[in-house]
Amino acid sequence: SNVLTQPPSVSVAPGKTARITCGGYNIGIKSVHWYQQKPGQAPVLVIYYDTDRPSGIPERFSGSNSGNTATLTISRVEAGDEADYYCQVWDSSTDPLVFGGGTKLTVL
Amino acid sequence: EVQLMESGGGLVQPGGSLRLSCAASGFTFSNYEMHWVRQATGKGLEWVSGIGTAGDTYYLGSVKGRFTISRENAKNSLYLLMNSLRAGDTALYYCARAPDSSTAIDFWGQGTLVTVSS
Repeated sequence: SNVLTQPPSVSVAPGKTARITCGGYNIGIKSVHWYQQKPGQAPVLVIYYDTDRPSGIPERFSGSNSGNTATLTISRVEAGDEADYYCQVWDSSTDPLVFGGGTKLTVL
Repeated sequence: EVQLMESGGGLVQPGGSLRLSCAASGFTFSNYEMHWVRQATGKGLEWVSGIGTAGDTYYLGSVKGRFTISRENAKNSLYLLMNSLRAGDTALYYCARAPDSSTAIDFWGQGTLVTVSS
């Protein structure tokens, strides 16, 4: 099965840069999407097709994808960015839609 | 305004059945792939099932043969019939839409809670 590996937690001070990784075999040839989920709320799409931002998502959110790792980067982190973040790919060879295990971002 | 409103969750005994519904509004329902994604309390997101605009269906391996996804475009509604429920199916079930295969899920409902317990 397609396994996407995320670190369980990432901590960052306000104003600094947070990087959340999503590892998977040859993930660089797939399109990766990222979701933010705050406690008690439904997920929200923050990055799609590796690097694109939906309208309303701050420019501080960006993405990259190459080789075996995709990365969500949040610049100038704010307290309101504290949330769980999930990567996701489509893989027609296994379960079509696969999520990573999620990363809890803590703003110190 | 796009809305996805799930209903039908509840408490059911192991081996029992439930039918979840999702009422969609604010967009052309028939033009979107629709999905069910679940989340057990304190756990991550897990895709369960999806249905394309042409009615093609997809299932997570562990629910194949037990769950059936369907859609009724005339009623802007998505359904998930869940049979032979197990304790491991206990979760918040989200209804979600995607513009097409391989695209991102761009909108989620608020979820309906399914609890499988004796």
